[in-house]
Amino acid sequence: DTGVSQNPRHKITKRGQNVTFRCDPISEHNRLYWYRQTLGQGPEFLTYFQNEAQLEKSRLLSDRFSAERPKGSFSTLEIQRTEQGDSAMYLCASSLAGQGPYEQYFGPGTRLTVT
Amino acid sequence: GEDVEQSLFLSVREGDSSVINCTYTDSSSTYLYWYKQEPGAGLQLLTYIFSNMDMKQDQRLTVLLNKKDKHLSLRIADTQTGDSAIYFCALRDNNAGNMLTFGGGTRLMVKP
Repeated sequence: DTGVSQNPRHKITKRGQNVTFRCDPISEHNRLYWYRQTLGQGPEFLTYFQNEAQLEKSRLLSDRFSAERPKGSFSTLEIQRTEQGDSAMYLCASSLAGQGPYEQYFGPGTRLTVT
Repeated sequence: GEDVEQSLFLSVREGDSSVINCTYTDSSSTYLYWYKQEPGAGLQLLTYIFSNMDMKQDQRLTVLLNKKDKHLSLRIADTQTGDSAIYFCALRDNNAGNMLTFGGGTRLMVKP
């Protein structure tokens, strides 16, 4: 078990550019979550997938954000026309689905800085 | 929606016990979790408690849940300098794909 991985770890971009992040979950996990964490705050939920289906989106996920999980394995999160307010740590987590504890395991995150 | 509150900062001496507190507003969560975050890193799951339990012990960690007062705590026995980190409580929303709602985090500083 290699854990959840995220790439890149750091991304610096200029305002108005598009960026894409990748998350590779734990292989047998069918649920994948994206969270955003700003400095000094706890993570906030953005969206989640069960297999390849995107089942829930937070109101934080504006039209400039899109996420995909095309084959139910890795996921990408794209931000179009980045704004300075998008600067944050983007965290991915994966879990099994169901009513048990089904803990969410987090990746190391992608830190985005928009200049 | 759920509101989860934590105190910002806790300082203890090495070898003492640490108690990190969390209060919440929505009592429908079936599972409540504690995560640890070290600088520049992702979140490490420490432990969890099921909502029908009052207490759970896991080595140096003890979780207490008071559903009546909507209060969750994490006690770390024999705190070490390596325990210095930010600790987050998180509640699971059973109706939204088990998404987690996090508190703002408590920064634990352990002095030698």
